[in-house]
Amino acid sequence: EVQLVESGGGLVQPGGSLRLSCAASGFTFSSYSMNWVRQAPGKGLEWVSYISSSSNTIYYADSVKGRFTISRDNAKNSLHLQMNSLRAEDTAVYYCVRGLGLPSGFDIWGQGTMVTVSS
Amino acid sequence: SYVLTQPPSVSVAPGQTARVTCGGNNIGGKSVHWYQQKPGQAPVLVVYDDSDRPSGIPERFSGSNSGNTATLTISRVEAGDEADYYCQVWDSSSDHWVFGGGTKLTVL
Repeated sequence: EVQLVESGGGLVQPGGSLRLSCAASGFTFSSYSMNWVRQAPGKGLEWVSYISSSSNTIYYADSVKGRFTISRDNAKNSLHLQMNSLRAEDTAVYYCVRGLGLPSGFDIWGQGTMVTVSS
Repeated sequence: SYVLTQPPSVSVAPGQTARVTCGGNNIGGKSVHWYQQKPGQAPVLVVYDDSDRPSGIPERFSGSNSGNTATLTISRVEAGDEADYYCQVWDSSSDHWVFGGGTKLTVL
């Protein structure tokens, strides 16, 4: 079964850091681009970051550029998101998502991990 | 940056046809993808590349894209289709993925 499982969410104070992870299984992880997408409570979907299959190409949304870092370990079938200088507006469910390749869409989504930034 | 505009809500009776629109500047020149999200669940891809359906998605779901509007059409609507629907495109000018604001489909 193709599966993405996120972990690492939780409560963090403003200005703090958090590292999200995503464990992939059931497919050849190294063949696919990956993304992080977030959804604030009661709000719509917001793309956060993209990484190509070989990590050669990385993109960030303007709202997180310079604060977040996406990375992957193809040997361990894992995706990560290092989040620094967190703000209240970063509070959201963060989804790990498999891409079909630019410009095609996202075909597999994890169940998400909640990040709450609050004092 | 590229903007996608969706109506906040669409209502339809069971058995009828629902159409959810997604507006964007010359969106017909881009590949549009659609997601269904039910409360408390992760989104599910229902249409990609304007009109293709992933395996397991009913034929009742179809898509079209031309000019400044893309449309997700759901035929013979069922109560289980009640959900939020989001459109998405890749904006190559900014190297950003863009989502529409979402449309809540209500089955009357």
